[in-house]
Amino acid sequence: DSGVTQTPKHLITATGQRVTLRCSPRSGDLSVYWYQQSLDQGLQFLIHYYNGEERAKGNILERFSAQQFPDLHSELNLSSLELGDSALYFCASSVGLAGPEQFFGPGTRLTVL
Amino acid sequence: GIQVEQSPPDLILQEGANSTLRCNFSDSVNNLQWFHQNPWGQLINLFYIPSGTKQNGRLSATTVATERYSLLYISSSQTTDSGVYFCAVVDTGRRALTFGSGTRLQVQP
Repeated sequence: DSGVTQTPKHLITATGQRVTLRCSPRSGDLSVYWYQQSLDQGLQFLIHYYNGEERAKGNILERFSAQQFPDLHSELNLSSLELGDSALYFCASSVGLAGPEQFFGPGTRLTVL
Repeated sequence: GIQVEQSPPDLILQEGANSTLRCNFSDSVNNLQWFHQNPWGQLINLFYIPSGTKQNGRLSATTVATERYSLLYISSSQTTDSGVYFCAVVDTGRRALTFGSGTRLQVQP
């Protein structure tokens, strides 16, 4: 158990819908990262928050957004869902702004039908 | 951006055999981590190893940062070692991990 929690574990929804994925970092960690794992793209970085502020963006679609709250939990919002958004979404956390080591949650498996 | 290449892409072993997985990266790194993704999809931290050598039970890892590669050694493999092994790096100026495409390991009884 890494100490990072993610809910829900599984999510099945329809095209065009909107979902919210939630992540709680390890106690004491200020950084939260979101990653997407799909069959065709592999594991890709989406976005990084540190102590409530967005610090870096990766290959995140405009239909996706995220935020980190004062209690340091984070939510990833996915809207206007398409079949291609089906993937495993991971949250990771680390102590500092630049890691050093990132710890991953169990992931949320999203299926868009 | 930085490129991360892992080899071999697939590996089949008999239980008890040893193996070496390799990770090459194209630029200087501040962070290198090895992960095991089990059949249930969980990403498990194996090593944080930007340089040097570390050992944890049957697993050990070595990173030679100046030559831009890292090796993961698995000794006396067990069926529970099956899954995908990922190498991931953070290059200078970035904070997020860039992952390789993984080595899929199958250990047969």
